[in-house]
Amino acid sequence: NAGVTQTPKFQVLKTGQSMTLQCAQDMNHEYMSWYRQDPGMGLRLIHYSVGAGITDQGEVPNGYNVSRSTTEDFPLRLLSAAPSQTSVYFCVSARDPNQPQHFGDGTRLSIL
Amino acid sequence: LAKTTQPISMDSYEGQEVNITCSHNNIATNDYITWYQQFPSQGPRFIIQGYKTKVTNEVASLFIPADRKSSTLSLPRVSLSDTAVYYCLVGERNQGGKLIFGQGTELSVKP
Repeated sequence: NAGVTQTPKFQVLKTGQSMTLQCAQDMNHEYMSWYRQDPGMGLRLIHYSVGAGITDQGEVPNGYNVSRSTTEDFPLRLLSAAPSQTSVYFCVSARDPNQPQHFGDGTRLSIL
Repeated sequence: LAKTTQPISMDSYEGQEVNITCSHNNIATNDYITWYQQFPSQGPRFIIQGYKTKVTNEVASLFIPADRKSSTLSLPRVSLSDTAVYYCLVGERNQGGKLIFGQGTELSVKP
């Protein structure tokens, strides 16, 4: 049981590049979400999903896309990277929003 | 949305009991209250969850008054390793899953 697995752990991009942050969970959780955490700051919700085929926007969705084709996977796509998107990104899963949330180890993304 | 409010920071000394209070005035009937701990360079991890009254586990206790408009995380006899940021989160069952974390409380434990 690996829990929530995020790849890559570190990534450096140039402004304008696109990339996908991968997230997979093996706990059969219906609920998944993505947060970003800027240095010294709190967690901000980007997108979330209550089940396969269903996604919705969080607090800061602009510049990001998500899809949920399977229960296990919830990739986050940066469409055209900007320096303001430099952050640590956490993928999270849970049985439902009221249950304990399981966080991945994070992806540290730097955009030059 | 059930917005949460916590103190930005707290200081304590080793061996003391620490109580961190979170305010959530518009909590919904079905919402649970969950606390998380985050160390630097790590993702938050679950500490404790409750709905009403008192919950205790091997790490902490959670006190929730009858009106549920606040909750208090109690850490007994803290050590240096309890230095972390603590987040209070209220489940958004009625909002379709939009979980918004507050700013968190940065706890600093000194020797």
